[in-house]
Amino acid sequence: DQQVKQNSPSLSVQEGRISILNCDYTNSMFDYFLWYKKYPAEGPTFLISISSIKDKNEDGRFTVFLNKSAKHLSLHIVPSQPGDSAVYFCAASVREYGNKLVFGAGTILRVKS
Amino acid sequence: DADVTQTPRNRITKTGKRIMLECSQTKGHDRMYWYRQDPGLGLRLIYYSFDVKDINKGEISDGYSVSRQAQAKFSLSLESAIPNQTALYFCATSDTPSTGVKGGYTFGSGTRLTVV
Repeated sequence: DQQVKQNSPSLSVQEGRISILNCDYTNSMFDYFLWYKKYPAEGPTFLISISSIKDKNEDGRFTVFLNKSAKHLSLHIVPSQPGDSAVYFCAASVREYGNKLVFGAGTILRVKS
Repeated sequence: DADVTQTPRNRITKTGKRIMLECSQTKGHDRMYWYRQDPGLGLRLIYYSFDVKDINKGEISDGYSVSRQAQAKFSLSLESAIPNQTALYFCATSDTPSTGVKGGYTFGSGTRLTVV
């Protein structure tokens, strides 16, 4: 039973356009959400996060949106660059449970130049 | 040097063999984790440790054991390796929740394990 779901295994976007990666969750107790980026032969690295008390967090080209009623979050990358090509993992945690992260299956993003 | 170092980077082993994957960190974090990555399944938690005397099972601990030798060291053992344990294994560290989970985990570069 996957509590965090990334239903799109892959996404292809033209350089300069917007990339939108989606994530759904089932556990209403999740109170913190994160996105990680992973390049081949490297470990995942933290990208951006959002607390459940917010609905938007922005960091440069990256913006995460949270819709608690729909249990949905998305990562927007604008403009997309070829270096953004990677696997993106959505993750969620519950502070009460010690903040252990639960990860989605990942989405492979390819940005074409 | 990397903040979180995993050894070996790649390993091929035979079914039934015992194997140990090692992880060391220089972040000074109390919390350490072992995850495995499989295509289509993402990262799944095997074991975690919140301090040297604390060991907890994750969602897929069967067939694995761990040892927290020191704050900086957390090793994962496969007692009798089987082919479906072929995967990419990641060690990660994190700070305590009171200091914030804004950045989440710091991951090592992974160990690619193949069981034949």
